[in-house]
Amino acid sequence: GDSVTQMEGPVTLSEEAFLTINCTYTATGYPSLFWYVQYPGEGLQLLLKATKADDKGSNKGFEATYRKETTSFHLEKGSVQVSDSAVYFCALPSGAGSYQLTFGKGTKLSVIP
Amino acid sequence: NAGVTQTPKFRILKIGQSMTLQCTQDMNHNYMYWYRQDPGMGLKLIYYSVGAGITDKGEVPNGYNVSRSTTEDFPLRLELAAPSQTSVYFCASSYDSFGGELFFGEGSRLTVL
Repeated sequence: GDSVTQMEGPVTLSEEAFLTINCTYTATGYPSLFWYVQYPGEGLQLLLKATKADDKGSNKGFEATYRKETTSFHLEKGSVQVSDSAVYFCALPSGAGSYQLTFGKGTKLSVIP
Repeated sequence: NAGVTQTPKFRILKIGQSMTLQCTQDMNHNYMYWYRQDPGMGLKLIYYSVGAGITDKGEVPNGYNVSRSTTEDFPLRLELAAPSQTSVYFCASSYDSFGGELFFGEGSRLTVL
């Protein structure tokens, strides 16, 4: 079935460092791809998405490009802040009718001053 | 702007007890979901609903039941609680199937002792 694999954490970076969190997917066709973020003690919220190949999703300084050649959707940010400390999830629709969203296992990011 | 509201936020159950996790949304979304989140395992879909009166199983439905009598409410019932059901439970809703955005509640932390 359709699935995503994302890099295991935890990831610890200093403030202003460059961030990459890898995500690769397995799917039939070209589904929309998503990054969700979960701040401590909260539910998940959508960070960005891309709906077709070569699309770039962006939000709050984060970017991810939908690359069908490498079946990847890596999350990047040029300069992380302490407030970016959270768990990040890659996700794609799955199941009959694409009603379900399948999540990766999550990557915990800690940014230290 | 309530969004998705879950109750209770925390609960401790004894083995064999039953309880209902409540979920309500005020966005008039047709689609609603229950996920469980276990450490290092990402989110697993328990049940979902595409509209009032319609529910279907997700990836891990055993030990749970749901109902959807109204568009707003999607309660999750745990019968005969077991330690394996210790988890954080998230309710979510969306306007349509994907690429729509999922809106999550803040979660309910359940411990079964």
